[in-house]
Amino acid sequence: DAGVIQSPRHEVTEMGQEVTLRCKPISGHDYLFWYRQTMMRGLELLIYFNNNVPIDDSGMPEDRFSAKMPNASFSTLKIQPSEPRDSAVYFCASGGAPSTYEQYFGPGTRLTVT
Amino acid sequence: SQQGEEDPQALSIQEGENATMNCSYKTSINNLQWYRQNSGRGLVHLILIRSNEREKHSGRLRVTLDTSKKSSSLLITASRAADTASYFCATGEGAQKLVFGQGTRLTINP
Repeated sequence: DAGVIQSPRHEVTEMGQEVTLRCKPISGHDYLFWYRQTMMRGLELLIYFNNNVPIDDSGMPEDRFSAKMPNASFSTLKIQPSEPRDSAVYFCASGGAPSTYEQYFGPGTRLTVT
Repeated sequence: SQQGEEDPQALSIQEGENATMNCSYKTSINNLQWYRQNSGRGLVHLILIRSNEREKHSGRLRVTLDTSKKSSSLLITASRAADTASYFCATGEGAQKLVFGQGTRLTINP
C-alpha cells in the first residue's frame, strides 16, 4: 500500500482565497483524521470520520473550515476564506478497526497564507 | 486541549547512549501511544501500550506506563544518528480520538 496520500504538498495562497486540501486514506481503514500542526499550538485534531461520517468536529476552529468525506477513499479539508493565521502544516491520518488504535499519517500539506 | 506533556522538551545525547523521554497526562486513558516525527515529515507510529499493561518492548524501544501516576516513559537504547527526531506521546480515551503532547526534540550527536 502507498500509505496515506495528501495533495498538494505545499500551498501558497493569498488571504481571502479558498484553499482545498486533499487526502486519500489507506485502503480498508475506517477512520480518517485531519490535524493541524503549528509551533505555537502543537498538533491539534480538527475533525475525524468513521465510515465516511463525521464523528467529532469540535476541533474545527470556525465556520471558515469545512471537511467532507464523500467516499471511503477520499476526503477534503476546505478553508474559505483563508487567513494568515491558518498557515500551518495540515496532516491527514487514517486508522483501522476500533480495536486497533494506531494512526497512519500522510506527509502533510504545508499551507502558507500571505 | 493538550493531554500529554512531554519532558524534557529537548534532549541531546551522544550516539550509543540511551535516551529517556517522559509523558504525563491528566485524565483516565484507554491507551497511550508514542510517535516519531522526522523534520518535515508526517508522524510515524512507534508503539502502543494499553491501560492494563505496565511495560512493552519493541526492538530498541521500551515503554512503561504508570496509571497511578498518570505517566509514561519511552526509552531508546543504543541510540543512533537516525533516531534524531521529535517524539510525541498521544493518549486515547477509548474511542479512536488521540490527544498529542507537544513533543520532545531528540538530537543524537555522532
